[in-house]
Amino acid sequence: GAVVSQHPSWVICKSGTSVKIECRSLDFQATTMFWYRQFPKQSLMLMATSNEGSKATYEQGVEKDKFLINHASLTLSTLTVTSAHPEDSSFYICSARDLREPTYGYTFGSGTRLTVV
Amino acid sequence: AQKVTQAQTEISVVEKEDVTLDCVYETRDTTYYLFWYKQPPSGELVFLIRRNSFDEQNEISGRYSWNFQKSTSSFNFTITASQVVDSAVYFCALRSSASKIIFGSGTRLSIRP
Repeated sequence: GAVVSQHPSWVICKSGTSVKIECRSLDFQATTMFWYRQFPKQSLMLMATSNEGSKATYEQGVEKDKFLINHASLTLSTLTVTSAHPEDSSFYICSARDLREPTYGYTFGSGTRLTVV
Repeated sequence: AQKVTQAQTEISVVEKEDVTLDCVYETRDTTYYLFWYKQPPSGELVFLIRRNSFDEQNEISGRYSWNFQKSTSSFNFTITASQVVDSAVYFCALRSSASKIIFGSGTRLSIRP
């Protein structure tokens, strides 16, 4: 089945630094990927839709300059949290749309737990 | 607007009991897809089922069953003879024409031995 690899699985960074999270589709090409954020004991909130070769579409209230998304190839999307602050600490999950499998269609990465100290 | 409501925040039952997780959705689209995902403490999302809006047949997979009723905009999930390993957070989700998946707030299920 479709596999999405997300790295790192966890990261601790100092306030003010930037962190990059990678989302790779291992055995399929993903023209569209999605980035979600999940605070403790809360639901997954869609942050943005990443489209290969074009600008990402951000959900209302998500700062584009804070959360930089790059989808430069059909198998890789990256989320960079710039100038991270403690309030950015969260669980980030990516999802890729696999057009080969209309039955399922969406495969999720294993998530990245970001802690900003 | 799309919306998924999971009114049950937490459920706790004793092992071997049956438990039903409720999901109510809102969408103006005629074509849409509904999902259930399981999220264990490790955090990854485990896909359980996908149902499209034209298929109202109920489905059973082992101890799991799903009841889809368009008339009430509900897509409920039942676990029969629950086990401790079923303890997790369960999310109902909706995907419509915009291609993005919107999640409900989740139901935390605890199965006590």
